[in-house]
Amino acid sequence: DIQMTQSPSSVSASVGDRVTITCRASHGISDSLAWFQQRPGKAPRSLIHATSSLRSGVPSKFSGSGSGTDFTLTISSLQPEDFATYYCQQYETYPLTFGGGTKVEIK
Amino acid sequence: EVQLVESGGDLVQPGGSLRLSCAASGFTFSDYYMDWVRQAPGKGLEWVGRIRKKANSYTTEYAASVKGRFTVSRDDSKNSLYLQMNSLKTEDTAVYYCARDWWGVDYWGQGTLVTVSS
Repeated sequence: DIQMTQSPSSVSASVGDRVTITCRASHGISDSLAWFQQRPGKAPRSLIHATSSLRSGVPSKFSGSGSGTDFTLTISSLQPEDFATYYCQQYETYPLTFGGGTKVEIK
Repeated sequence: EVQLVESGGDLVQPGGSLRLSCAASGFTFSDYYMDWVRQAPGKGLEWVGRIRKKANSYTTEYAASVKGRFTVSRDDSKNSLYLQMNSLKTEDTAVYYCARDWWGVDYWGQGTLVTVSS
């Protein structure tokens, strides 16, 4: 199975800050990488697929990059609604696997 | 508007069975692969299984943790996805999400809670 490792597991940031989250795959996954946001008590929301393609309706303050085994999600200018947990997922190989999550908290 | 609405979550004893349903609307259900993803209380997301579309013979894939116990099925005539769960274990306790796949999951349902406890 491909292991997905996210770092950091949590980050404290202020409104207006820029935050970068890293996701590392244990084997190469080409660009088959997605990012999701989950607010407390809510279902996940899809943000990005194919490493860097924004889903419909997702604001451009979210961006993704990377290839192979190393990927990043960047959130520019954090707003109160962005404080949530973020997950990466590889969909290159079965079983599909998620990272452990990164909680973005208010400083 | 794409909508996925899960139902069927309940409290069940270890060793028991349960069938979850997901009603889809707002898109051509038969054109898409569909997934089940779960989340244990206070934990992260875990992919459970997938069913492909008719053109791919409705083939399925499963996580090792559920293979042989869970079955994903669909009824395109009813725009519905199902998860049959047998031989349930306490570690299967989770919110179960139905999800549409389009180069990764693009839409999620609101989830249904399954509690396995005696």
